[in-house]
Amino acid sequence: NAGVTQTPKFQVLKTGQSMTLQCAQDMNHEYMSWYRQDPGMGLRLIHYSVGAGITDQGEVPNGYNVSRSTTEDFPLRLLSAAPSQTSVYFCATGPLNTQYFGPGTRLTVL
Amino acid sequence: GNSVTQMEGPVTLSEEAFLTINCTYTATGYPSLFWYVQYPGEGLQLLLKATKADDKGSNKGFEATYRKETTSFHLEKGSVQVSDSAVYFCASKEGGKLIFGQGTELSVKP
Repeated sequence: NAGVTQTPKFQVLKTGQSMTLQCAQDMNHEYMSWYRQDPGMGLRLIHYSVGAGITDQGEVPNGYNVSRSTTEDFPLRLLSAAPSQTSVYFCATGPLNTQYFGPGTRLTVL
Repeated sequence: GNSVTQMEGPVTLSEEAFLTINCTYTATGYPSLFWYVQYPGEGLQLLLKATKADDKGSNKGFEATYRKETTSFHLEKGSVQVSDSAVYFCASKEGGKLIFGQGTELSVKP
């Protein structure tokens, strides 16, 4: 039982490059979400999903796309990376009263 | 919209000192409230929660009481240990989302 896994752990991109941050869970949770963590700003919600085929925007969705084709996976896509997207990204799953967080992906955009 | 405000850190304490980390929230109703902890290099973990007014959440020696009169959910521990060094996040549940405070870093010295 791995819980919530995120890959990669670290990534460096150049401005304009694209990439996908992976998130997978083996707990059969319907709710999954992506946050970014920036110094002094806590965690801010990017996108979330309440089940396969259903996604919605959070507080800071611009520059990010998501899809949810299976219960297990919830990838986050950056289509054209910008330095403002330098951050630590966390995926979370589970009922809102008991969320489980992945270990995070540290992304640097040069 | 709703928001969560925490006291600014970093907070530096000696081992066995008393800890208080303040948290206040704004909301139209009575949201569920949470404290999450983030140890260095890891994702967030749920520490404790309270789902209605006057509830007290507790775990690992930490406590927080949901006080609707002061819209607060302050985190307390009677005697901190070096292993409690981490970043602590207060959060509220609003509809289908969690709203996080900015986080408070705690450093406990031997």
